[in-house]
Amino acid sequence: IAGITQAPTSQILAAGRRMTLRCTQDMRHNAMYWYRQDLGLGLRLIHYSNTAGTTGKGEVPDGYSVSRANTDDFPLTLASAVPSQTSVYFCASPSGNSDTQYFGPGTRLTVL
Amino acid sequence: EDQVTQSPEALRLQEGESSSLNCSYTVSGLRGLFWYRQDPGKGPEFLFTLYSAGEEKEKERLKATLTKKESFLHITAPKPEDSATYLCAVQAGGSQGNLIFGKGTKLSVKP
Repeated sequence: IAGITQAPTSQILAAGRRMTLRCTQDMRHNAMYWYRQDLGLGLRLIHYSNTAGTTGKGEVPDGYSVSRANTDDFPLTLASAVPSQTSVYFCASPSGNSDTQYFGPGTRLTVL
Repeated sequence: EDQVTQSPEALRLQEGESSSLNCSYTVSGLRGLFWYRQDPGKGPEFLFTLYSAGEEKEKERLKATLTKKESFLHITAPKPEDSATYLCAVQAGGSQGNLIFGKGTKLSVKP
């Protein structure tokens, strides 16, 4: 069973502030992903990491950065939040030897 | 360009009224097609993975099928607790492993 935790559950943030969304997995899997979900647009990939120490850009990376210092953690940082970054953010990781991605519970972020 | 289209956007059924959700896809080398269920305020919950045309998988009242261009999620005799948004996603061969999602079908089952 997938074990992905995200924090915080929700956050209201003033525009221009810095924010880090946390994601931790207990599956010891190499790959991790960050998606955002917006009404009418579905889930879109922001950044990904195939293994600790490496990261890559997804479909909508602008305004976001990630790091992967170890296998378990994959934080997503908004250096200077803007209202268009209001969204629900999901972290995901495959489990075991399959390609099936399991998702965390999400962080609902509102930027005012 | 890899793309996933789901239809209908919304579907209202009476309890016991069977139906199907459609997922059409174009992808450069399909590595896998995934179905998820998402309840309001929750993360997507994995249902099925399909890898090749002709493959079928079942779980309770749900059955997923796959052809070379589309997948169907058949719901037999649905119950109100099946109400949710159903998401379809594909993983392209040679990709970094990320999923390309459709916009989902919102299913409502009335008692």
